[in-house]
Amino acid sequence: GQNIDQPTEMTATEGAIVQINCTYQTSGFNGLFWYQQHAGEAPTFLSYNVLDGLEEKGRFSSFLSRSKGYSYLLLKELQMKDSASYLCAVVDSNYQLIWGAGTKLIIKP
Amino acid sequence: ETGVTQTPRHLVMGMTNKKSLKCEQHLGHNAMYWYKQSAKKPLELMFVYNFKEQTENNSVPSRFSPECPNSSHLFLHLHTLQPEDSALYLCASSQAGTEIVTGELFFGEGSRLTVL
Repeated sequence: GQNIDQPTEMTATEGAIVQINCTYQTSGFNGLFWYQQHAGEAPTFLSYNVLDGLEEKGRFSSFLSRSKGYSYLLLKELQMKDSASYLCAVVDSNYQLIWGAGTKLIIKP
Repeated sequence: ETGVTQTPRHLVMGMTNKKSLKCEQHLGHNAMYWYKQSAKKPLELMFVYNFKEQTENNSVPSRFSPECPNSSHLFLHLHTLQPEDSALYLCASSQAGTEIVTGELFFGEGSRLTVL
């Protein structure tokens, strides 16, 4: 079967750095997405990785290792508005999106 | 504002009611999706439309009936639902060709459905 694993919940402090991990076992790989979803709002696109390495976009970075079936989302200089759920999704060989259950990130002052 | 609008935002219905969820996208996309989001579970893909043609139906019970009259509008017709169908129903769109996913998805804010 296909599976995406990510922690259910994480807590971090305002101004700090947090890393949200995502591991996957899928039939093939055609890219990995990270989405952010604030409570009661639409999921919004954060990043897309298809090659190994780190992609940096402002305070957010996303890393991919295809050989390890592993990605992480790194959030720097945390702000209260970063409190949200972070969804990891992998595109498999049939171009189906396989979703993780999401990681709820709680930011404390 | 993501360019995808869903109505109603909240819906409470009895098991014998018939209701519809509506989705409209203003992005010029040609693929539209219905997803079910339940607490602490992965998003479940229900239906996919590419160029108004249904290309995916992931073993969804017949009490859910999709309709795509044009590439900008998508409906989900609901009838004789069960309490376990209570969830957030998300609509999404993307720029897609023959593949199901070739780019990022743009989601609406969802319709929160409660079945009594």
